[in-house]
Amino acid sequence: DTAVSQTPKYLVTQMGNDKSIKCEQNLGHDTMYWYKQDSKKFLKIMFSYNNKELIINETVPNRFSPKSPDKAHLNLHINSLELGDSAVYFCASSLTAMTGARDYGYTFGSGTRLTVV
Amino acid sequence: KQEVTQIPAALSVPEGENLVLNCSFTDSAIYNLQWFRQDPGKGLTSLLLIQSSQREQTSGRLNASLDKSSGRSTLYIAASQPGDSATYLCALLYNFNKFYFGSGTKLNVKP
Repeated sequence: DTAVSQTPKYLVTQMGNDKSIKCEQNLGHDTMYWYKQDSKKFLKIMFSYNNKELIINETVPNRFSPKSPDKAHLNLHINSLELGDSAVYFCASSLTAMTGARDYGYTFGSGTRLTVV
Repeated sequence: KQEVTQIPAALSVPEGENLVLNCSFTDSAIYNLQWFRQDPGKGLTSLLLIQSSQREQTSGRLNASLDKSSGRSTLYIAASQPGDSATYLCALLYNFNKFYFGSGTKLNVKP
């Protein structure tokens, strides 16, 4: 059983297109996150949802919009894709927003490698 | 602002060696520190989690230490094996529930 699953695993698309990445967790966690890993391997947080409510919204372009239909799902929609959006995007979850992350840490998905051409 | 640095960026050792990976951070007001392993094309696997009140954690051949006063953590791998080859990332839970990551140490264990 995959704890945090992302689809697709690879995504190649042209500049200007709109695409979505889906994430689902079956751990019963309340909080989910999107992280972006750049070419230098740094992971940086983009968004976090707690029970479908947005709690972290870092400085990312408005073209990126997260959507959480329920606490087990957090999707990432990207409009008007640009070359600089090419990266690996990781979804993660934690038991709760603060104490769960503090006491148990994060569980990450396997990542989605997005390539914009 | 929290900054996380991992040294070395890459490390190549022969099988069987004991090795130490380093992680340093600039702000000691962290909630916890987590070491992850990243394999090519795969996600991040959690190895060890150290709470801010703890000094170390052990799991099998892995031992992680935390010294908040000096802003350092180390990951010790005993009797390294080729299967240990991966990129190792340290991450700090800091400032609410955001994780700050280092850029990783790419480890290659040669048979």
